[in-house]
Amino acid sequence: EADIYQTPRYLVIGTGKKITLECSQTMGHDKMYWYQQDPGMELHLIHYSYGVNSTEKGDLSSESTVSRIRTEHFPLTLESARPSHTSQYLCASASPGQGAKLFFGSGTQLSVL
Amino acid sequence: QQQVKQSPQSLIVQKGGISIINCAYENTAFDYFPWYQQFPGKGPALLIAIRPDVSEKKEGRFTISFNKSAKQFSLHIMDSQPGDSATYFCAAATYNTDKLIFGTGTRLQVFP
Repeated sequence: EADIYQTPRYLVIGTGKKITLECSQTMGHDKMYWYQQDPGMELHLIHYSYGVNSTEKGDLSSESTVSRIRTEHFPLTLESARPSHTSQYLCASASPGQGAKLFFGSGTQLSVL
Repeated sequence: QQQVKQSPQSLIVQKGGISIINCAYENTAFDYFPWYQQFPGKGPALLIAIRPDVSEKKEGRFTISFNKSAKQFSLHIMDSQPGDSATYFCAAATYNTDKLIFGTGTRLQVFP
């Protein structure tokens, strides 16, 4: 079983607040990803990283930002949360040489009021 | 722009029956086609994957059928069980890029 952890599991917050969603993995994977999953279930890549100090935007435009200061840690930040940010956020990691075999965390369900 | 189209959106199957989920892709550069299974409150987990050099791959009760000329692939769950009730996602990628493009998901319910 993959060791990738996301906190918090659920977050309800008011508009305008700054939030950080945490993601950590203990597998030493270089590649990490953030996906947004909408109520219709579809998964969209919003950020990815291939290693320390490497971050890229994904296919879906997002107002969030990410950082990768340590291999094991890939937090996602929203500077000013809005109701349109309400969604499930899933973090994933992959090892080099495994192609697109991703290991996902359990997700953070964010609700912005 | 939906690069991977998945159907049906939902599926109800009786225990012991066969569940079939279909996907179609557009980009001929894709050469890696995984299926992920997601239970409520959990992240997706890799179930089975196929590369286009074979037309079928079987792991236990789960089989992927792949039709390269039609650009289609499907997941077959034989002898479906209530424990198989979950959301299933097909996906596609070029193997050396690892950026998965997911289908829209199929919510499977297996009734006893």
